Parts: sequence; C-alpha cells; structure tokens
Amino acid sequence: RKEVEQDPGPFNVPEGATVAFNCTYSNSASQSFFWYRQDCRKEPKLLMSVYSSGNEDGRFTAQLNRASQYISLLIRDSKLSDSATYLCAVNIIRDSSYKLIFGSGTRLLVRP
Amino acid sequence: SAVISQKPSRDICQRGTSLTIQCQVDSQVTMMFWYRQQPGQSLTLIATANQGSEATYESGFVIDKFPISRPNLTFSTLTVSNMSPEDSSIYLCSVEGFQGQGNEQFFGPGTRLTVL
Repeated sequence: RKEVEQDPGPFNVPEGATVAFNCTYSNSASQSFFWYRQDCRKEPKLLMSVYSSGNEDGRFTAQLNRASQYISLLIRDSKLSDSATYLCAVNIIRDSSYKLIFGSGTRLLVRP
Repeated sequence: SAVISQKPSRDICQRGTSLTIQCQVDSQVTMMFWYRQQPGQSLTLIATANQGSEATYESGFVIDKFPISRPNLTFSTLTVSNMSPEDSSIYLCSVEGFQGQGNEQFFGPGTRLTVL
C-alpha cells in the first residue's frame, strides 16, 4: 500500500462548480499535512497547510480526519485558473527525521 | 517564504556524462531537500542535505550516483552521475519553512534534465 494515495482524476468540472478531493495516508503517526498546487511544467506551490481543526482560505477549505486517516480539499466556485494538479503531502518521521511524502496528485480541469 | 533558484533550468546531456545542479536560497536554512519528479509522476525524495554533515539518502538512491554537497546554509548541489536515459526527470530542491504548525517545504523552480 502506498503511504499517500490520491485519485489521479482528472476531475472535469464547469466553472462555478464545487469540487472535493480526498487523500488517504497510511502512517497513523503522521503529524503535518499539506496541499500543494502544481501547474504544468512548474514546481509545486504550497496551497494550504491542513490543521486538526480544519482551515479555510477564501474558496478553499481543507479538512483532516485522523480517525479515517484522510485529508480533503474543497474548492468552491471553481475558476478556470484553478485547473492544475493538486498534490497532498504528509510529514512523517523516518530515521529520526521528518520527511515529506507526496501523493501522486489529482488533476483538475475547469471548463468554461 | 524564501526565494529559491536553481541552475541550470534545463539541460540535454549525453549518457555516461554527469551534471551538477545548483540550488541557492536567499536566506539561511537548516534543512534542504532534493527531489526527483519523473514524467507524469509525483515527487520522490532523493536525499536530505544538512550543512556540516553527510546527506541522508532515501531507499533506492546512493551517494555514488547522486553526490550532494552542502557547503553552507544557503547553497547545495546535486550531481547526477554517469547518466542514463532513465535519469531524465525534473530535479527540484526544497527548503523547510517555519510557517504554520510545522515543516512546510518550499520548492525551487526545478531543473529539467533530458538524457539522450
């Protein structure tokens, strides 16, 4: 089983739609969780950290469910510019140091 | 967040040669990391580069193939040695930030390597 798993998509949604992605992780000791956005041929950019209580930033809401070991990202009122690959990342302790493990990414296409 | 630059941004190399990729940060950072992203894949951690000590390599990556230097707190290099077409990939460095509740990483723009 992969340490971090995501549905690769693509999710093809119209402008204005609400879309949600999930990401599951296998290590119950994971401490920190993040969503990154990666545009084609660009580096990943941090979108949001995911806090235990959940957090919201404009149209984006991130949630953590420790019992079921998944994080989610909700995008409301989708824009064309939201089209990208969304990577979840989980911080785990391995060999006495923190390591960030990435999922394979979920591709989002927002159509006019 | 820190400003991170990488050189070269892209290169096309012949098999059997080596390429050294540079990563420069505009502020001092303790932890620097090197990742590989193969076409259509996610990021795979190659190694963690700490100043003043040997790099720590992940399973499947060895120092002879990917030697790393970390001479100070703002700079690191990754060398891809004795390249083969399978090494064609994007190589990214990242640094650990200290925002939020812990251990976010911020990435350089990447080096796109093609091995013929």
